Amino acid sequence: QLQLQESGPGLVKPSETLSLTCTVSGGSISSSSYYWDWIRQTPGKGLEWIGSIYYSGSTFDNPSLMSRVTISVDTSKNQFSLKLSSLTAADAAVYYCARRSSTGWYLDHWGQGTLVTVSS
Amino acid sequence: EIVLTQSPGTLSLSPGERATLSCRASQSSSSRFLAWYQQKPGQAPRLLIYGASSRATGIPDRFSGSGSGTDFTLTISRLEPEDFAVYYCQQYGSSFGQGTKVEIK
Repeated sequence: QLQLQESGPGLVKPSETLSLTCTVSGGSISSSSYYWDWIRQTPGKGLEWIGSIYYSGSTFDNPSLMSRVTISVDTSKNQFSLKLSSLTAADAAVYYCARRSSTGWYLDHWGQGTLVTVSS
Repeated sequence: EIVLTQSPGTLSLSPGERATLSCRASQSSSSRFLAWYQQKPGQAPRLLIYGASSRATGIPDRFSGSGSGTDFTLTISRLEPEDFAVYYCQQYGSSFGQGTKVEIK
């Protein structure tokens, strides 16, 4: 059974860079049938798609995040990662990783989410 | 960017009743890429419907999706106690609607 698990610091200072990792188990991140996504959720803005990566390293991300996003993949560890720079209080959210179908573009498996607080 | 508007914001219904949730897109889009998710408090969203009308694995047949172009609908034929939750639509794997909360009346 496929499982995704986010990991990373729960507290980050303003202006710093958030680094999160998603570990995939029960399936290969190198499958050609899927992309691997990051999504966040805040009470105010709801669900916001951050970006996506293919096992080959091809990425695409949300233009509204103003190029602050870097997504990478490590196929040897079956992991993918998110870096979000220049954090502000508006970046405080629950961050989810998820698997996306490469045909229907739906998110069929999600991690449990990790809460990130931005504060000095 | 496609903007998805869900209505109503909150739906107050009793168990056994029918729920009809709407998702309207700001421009016409392919039904192939329209998905619906259910989210309960403290949990991640769960895929219910993809391709506008196909049920995801393990989803009961009381959940159904329909629509095309700019108007899509999620219908729960008879609400069970576990169906009271927030429902989101999503288009092209990126834009999410703001959600419809289905609460117990």
